[in-house]
Amino acid sequence: DAGITQSPRHKVTETGTPVTLRCHQTENHRYMYWYRQDPGHGLRLIHYSYGVKDTDKGEVSDGYSVSRSKTEDFLLTLESATSSQTSVYFCAISAGPPGTEAFFGQGTRLTVV
Amino acid sequence: EDQVTQSPEALRLQEGESSSLNCSYTVSGLRGLFWYRQDPGKGPEFLFTLYSAGEEKEKERLKATLTKKESFLHITAPKPEDSATYLCAVMYSGGGADGLTFGKGTHLIIQP
Repeated sequence: DAGITQSPRHKVTETGTPVTLRCHQTENHRYMYWYRQDPGHGLRLIHYSYGVKDTDKGEVSDGYSVSRSKTEDFLLTLESATSSQTSVYFCAISAGPPGTEAFFGQGTRLTVV
Repeated sequence: EDQVTQSPEALRLQEGESSSLNCSYTVSGLRGLFWYRQDPGKGPEFLFTLYSAGEEKEKERLKATLTKKESFLHITAPKPEDSATYLCAVMYSGGGADGLTFGKGTHLIIQP
């Protein structure tokens, strides 16, 4: 898995609570990404980072925030979880620049009840 | 309109029966087209990157090709272990974000 660890792997949370997912890499790659995967939609980009403290929005960023204070860690926070955020979340890393292949973690299955 | 369309959605083959999966895209300014394999409960596994029309890449029983508007993933004499969902993704200029745009995948089943 190219030195990518996602935690937790599974989580059930209640509507309205904040949730933070963690992605940790050991490859020292510059780019890190958060995607969500839903039936009928495929993988969609939430946020990405192109360096420490440098982040930007993706296609489906509403309701999510990210932080990257160290090269190896990229955090995804659901500020107030909703049932529509029930999904499988994948972190990916890339040495960059854009156009370089990305490598994915094993995913976090999040259920919001 | 989807920017990346994969067909068929699902494909069932007999072991040894060769076939092709299609990925068509409507974006302009292609920076790269990527093929991934995804097994149930796991993250996508990188297979190939193609950058320009006419380019081909091979790995074991898989061969990926690229034209100006589509890519094919050819599977020659597949085995049951080739069963998986195959994902196509593009990265392109002007996409507004430096991430991949994925198709919905082709679910491939190889029967012994």
